Amino acid sequence: AQSVTQLDSHVSVSEGTPVLLRCNYSSSYSPSLFWYVQHPNKGLQLLLKYTSAATLVKGINGFEAEFKKSETSFHLTKPSAHMSDAAEYFCVVSDSYDAGNMLTFGGGTRLMVKP
Amino acid sequence: KAGVTQTPRYLIKTRGQQVTLSCSPISGHRSVSWYQQTPGQGLQFLFEYFSETQRNKGNFPGRFSGRQFSNSRSEMNVSTLELGDSALYLCASSLQGVVTDTQYFGPGTRLTVL
Repeated sequence: AQSVTQLDSHVSVSEGTPVLLRCNYSSSYSPSLFWYVQHPNKGLQLLLKYTSAATLVKGINGFEAEFKKSETSFHLTKPSAHMSDAAEYFCVVSDSYDAGNMLTFGGGTRLMVKP
Repeated sequence: KAGVTQTPRYLIKTRGQQVTLSCSPISGHRSVSWYQQTPGQGLQFLFEYFSETQRNKGNFPGRFSGRQFSNSRSEMNVSTLELGDSALYLCASSLQGVVTDTQYFGPGTRLTVL
């Protein structure tokens, strides 16, 4: 069975400072890992994904994440936060389940950016 | 390409009623998945359809059902609505529904049960 733990439910940073959103996963197979962002009253938008290629993955809007198998982690980072980054972020694992796939979501991290 | 569309966007129903939500995937995508989002339970997988067949089902009661049509459009149905069914229902589509596929999400249907 797969599971995802986002270690912080809320993270607050000042504009221009680095962002770190932490995620640990467990999976029985070789998973694909994703980060999605959800702005208020909007759907989910893909930030980046890992599918067993390069362990350092670059995404949109300056975000990146590093897959560390030994630590079962997939933390999301950004060098400099912008006010528009304020949103909820979800770490997601996709695992094989019979012939299809299903996404398992972490509990989400709400990122607040102070001016 | 147009994104995933969901109709209706908002819905208000009363307990005991049933409801049908619709999802149109991105053109060419054959896999459609449904998720329920609530403040208490977060985002949970409901089911996935591929080529008109349900391949996976989450841990939800039988009141939740779905289907997929030959054009890949999908509907989900909830019968005998309960207050706890109030949620944002999200539909996602992907090309083949394999582990490495990206799932693209629609804006969701917000269901309120009174």
